[in-house]
Amino acid sequence: DQQVKQNSPSLSVQEGRISILNCDYTNSMFDYFLWYKKYPAEGPTFLISISSIKDKNEDGRFTVFLNKSAKHLSLHIVPSQPGDSAVYFCAALAYGGTSYGKLTFGQGTILTVHP
Amino acid sequence: DTGVSQNPRHKITKRGQNVTFRCDPISEHNRLYWYRQTLGQGPEFLTYFQNEAQLEKSRLLSDRFSAERPKGSFSTLEIQRTEQGDSAMYLCASSIPQDQLSGYTFGSGTRLTVV
Repeated sequence: DQQVKQNSPSLSVQEGRISILNCDYTNSMFDYFLWYKKYPAEGPTFLISISSIKDKNEDGRFTVFLNKSAKHLSLHIVPSQPGDSAVYFCAALAYGGTSYGKLTFGQGTILTVHP
Repeated sequence: DTGVSQNPRHKITKRGQNVTFRCDPISEHNRLYWYRQTLGQGPEFLTYFQNEAQLEKSRLLSDRFSAERPKGSFSTLEIQRTEQGDSAMYLCASSIPQDQLSGYTFGSGTRLTVV
């Protein structure tokens, strides 16, 4: 079963505008959420994260919003830059117990930022 | 420290052959994870080590797959009697405990093609 879903396979935005990437999850045991960025032929690179006790976390141009009741999170990139073009993965983590911190990833969204 | 290193970067093998991949984590990281990523999907968890102990294995890890982490340093992932369905990117990541909000460090992966 797909516990983390990114329903938009791709997103295209103009440079300088906002990019909004969405992610839904089903497992209420997840307590940390992370966004990764991936370029071709490279491994995923950590971008930003949020704990389930918060509803927003901001780091420069990147902001992640968490709506626990809707089991939904989003990544906002403002302003978008051509260098942001990559595949973005949402990942979730149920820390503690026997999960040992393994990440469950969504399918990814390909972001293209046009100059 | 140059991060998580994976070798080889690419491997092409004939169906039925055995292959072995190596991962060298960041030296002070005692947790090591293997993931597999197929086209259009996010990385999927395969197995996890804490030091030299293999603490969790995904049901995706059939009996043709074996992973080791002798002495709690580098890790190897072996696939015996490869099948075309094994073609994927194999990713290694490492972390320390309490690292859940800063993300895990991934290597660049080994791309396996079974012909």
